[in-house]
Amino acid sequence: DAGVIQSPRHEVTEMGQEVTLRCKPISGHNSLFWYRQTMMRGLELLIYFNNNVPIDDSGMPEDRFSAKMPNASFSTLKIQPSEPRDSAVYFCASRGRAGSGELFFGEGSRLTVL
Amino acid sequence: AQKITQTQPGMFVQEKEAVTLDCTYDTSDPSYGLFWYKQPSSGEMIFLIYQGSYDQQNATEGRYSLNFQKARKSANLVISASQLGDSAMYFCAMRVPPGTYKYIFGTGTRLKVLA
Repeated sequence: DAGVIQSPRHEVTEMGQEVTLRCKPISGHNSLFWYRQTMMRGLELLIYFNNNVPIDDSGMPEDRFSAKMPNASFSTLKIQPSEPRDSAVYFCASRGRAGSGELFFGEGSRLTVL
Repeated sequence: AQKITQTQPGMFVQEKEAVTLDCTYDTSDPSYGLFWYKQPSSGEMIFLIYQGSYDQQNATEGRYSLNFQKARKSANLVISASQLGDSAMYFCAMRVPPGTYKYIFGTGTRLKVLA
């Protein structure tokens, strides 16, 4: 079975540009999470969805960040306008109803904002 | 406040020896889940082991075991017979409370296995 799929794997952009990160969760999983990882702050939960509905977006840094989940198989995280301090690895993870409840992570999208 | 604490930023262990990575947690919810993840230098996050707050026995998965001490609020990861491939960053995480599916991660411990 395919795991969580993220794109792009690497993104280099200039300050002020719009960035869109994409995620396809594991089929059948009903919860989706966006995390950001930096050396300074570690793994931070940005937002998570349950059954396509945003449940907690308190981790979203500011209004420049937005996330959507239009259907069960796709989510986006958008940054507009991007700033150098947004440079990080962004992980998408999904969770199913069965099992011990572990998160399945994608390989991450490494964002560099110049 | 709900929190995960990993106090060891880095650890060294000799190949074939056992190593313990520390994790303490704080929550007032009686029901929670504890997880350990491995992040090798390639960057992916790999699930290792899970312990539920009501589980009576410590979880084990191959060479990984979780030393769960509920009264002390600790959930240490024990890796037996360390291998060079175990060199990675290790994260402890907590899910609280059930129903909201919020997962909190610690700051991680970088393990280096020496030949």
